[in-house]
Amino acid sequence: EAGVVQSPRYKIIEKKQPVAFWCNPISGHNTLYWYRQNLGQGPELLIRYENEEAVDDSQLPKDRFSAERLKGVDSTLKIQPAELGDSAVYLCASALGGARGTEAFFGQGTRLTVV
Amino acid sequence: LAKTTQPISMDSYEGQEVNITCSHNNIATNDYITWYQQFPSQGPRFIIQGYKTKVTNEVASLFIPADRKSSTLSLPRVSLSDTAVYYCLVGPDDMRFGAGTRLTVKP
Repeated sequence: EAGVVQSPRYKIIEKKQPVAFWCNPISGHNTLYWYRQNLGQGPELLIRYENEEAVDDSQLPKDRFSAERLKGVDSTLKIQPAELGDSAVYLCASALGGARGTEAFFGQGTRLTVV
Repeated sequence: LAKTTQPISMDSYEGQEVNITCSHNNIATNDYITWYQQFPSQGPRFIIQGYKTKVTNEVASLFIPADRKSSTLSLPRVSLSDTAVYYCLVGPDDMRFGAGTRLTVKP
């Protein structure tokens, strides 16, 4: 079975340009997470979806970041406009969800470089 | 207030057992303890999860004392390929990562 698929793997853009990342979670996984990871740091949770509902977006910089999860499956994370400080790896993860502790599966990530 | 506290880094040698302890003094009744491993240029990977006492799988063991205020991830006979960052998380679904513990295994 395919794991979590993210695209693109790498993206280089100029500052002030828009950028979008796409995530296809594991089939049947209701919970989807987006993270940002800077070099040498742990992943920072940006948003968590339960099906198509964003249940935790407290860490999402809403002035420039947006996300959607259409039909509770694929998800897109967008940055507009990008800033130099947005350079990082953006990770998507999915999980079955539920009250038990979570076993989440991560994609390979998208490495964003803003120049 | 951070939910977990781990050592920033640890060094070990091949063939040794490595124990990484995580403190979670404010763990709630419905919280589970979950450990992830992350290699460079990859997303984190689930290692093991537990609620109390001891859990063992093919990769590691997880020891949780009765008060559940800490937990210890035990990696038996580490190899160079176990060099990675290890993260401890608590919660039913709170997937917030700290800085983790950077384990370096030396030959």
